[in-house]
Amino acid sequence: KAGVTQTPRYLIKTRGQQVTLSCSPISGHRSVSWYQQTPGQGLQFLFEYFSETQRNKGNFPGRFSGRQFSNSRSEMNVSTLELGDSALYLCASSLGLAGINEQFFGPGTRLTVL
Amino acid sequence: GEDVEQSLFLSVREGDSSVINCTYTDSSSTYLYWYKQEPGAGLQLLTYIFSNMDMKQDQRLTVLLNKKDKHLSLRIADTQTGDSAIYFCAEGNLNQAGTALIFGKGTTLSVSS
Repeated sequence: KAGVTQTPRYLIKTRGQQVTLSCSPISGHRSVSWYQQTPGQGLQFLFEYFSETQRNKGNFPGRFSGRQFSNSRSEMNVSTLELGDSALYLCASSLGLAGINEQFFGPGTRLTVL
Repeated sequence: GEDVEQSLFLSVREGDSSVINCTYTDSSSTYLYWYKQEPGAGLQLLTYIFSNMDMKQDQRLTVLLNKKDKHLSLRIADTQTGDSAIYFCAEGNLNQAGTALIFGKGTTLSVSS
């Protein structure tokens, strides 16, 4: 069974641009969660999607948004990029809701904002 | 609010036991997890424990949970150089549908030969 895949693996953008990251969950998984990982703040929850609905959202500005498609694939978008958005963005999928089901993580997308 | 805390670094010699500690604040946490992250990789679930358990053993891994003190520990027996990684403790909550995991900042385990 294929694991969670994330594309692209690496991305370099400049301030003010926008970016879209993609996540393909494990086949059959309906929940996709997104996390931001930085050296200073550690792993912070961005949002969770389950059956195309956003179920929960972390404490991030509205520049961060996401969506989930009917095949459970998910995208997250960051608009008007800031230097502080440089981070590893991790996607995780689970059969059911995150927090009460085992989450499987992808390798992440490393975003660098110049 | 919810918070999970871990010590940042642990250094051990190969063959010794490693104990990584974690404290959490949400008393309604139902599941507690240990994840491992190797350089350049995502997180790998090592083990988890239900909040109504005190201990769980899985090969070289032993998880101890003290629910009264909200303290979780991960013991790695016979630590190997391949165990060098960052270990994250996380709590999950059954009562809040859709709640994601709350992670600690990770403990970097360094194993010397």
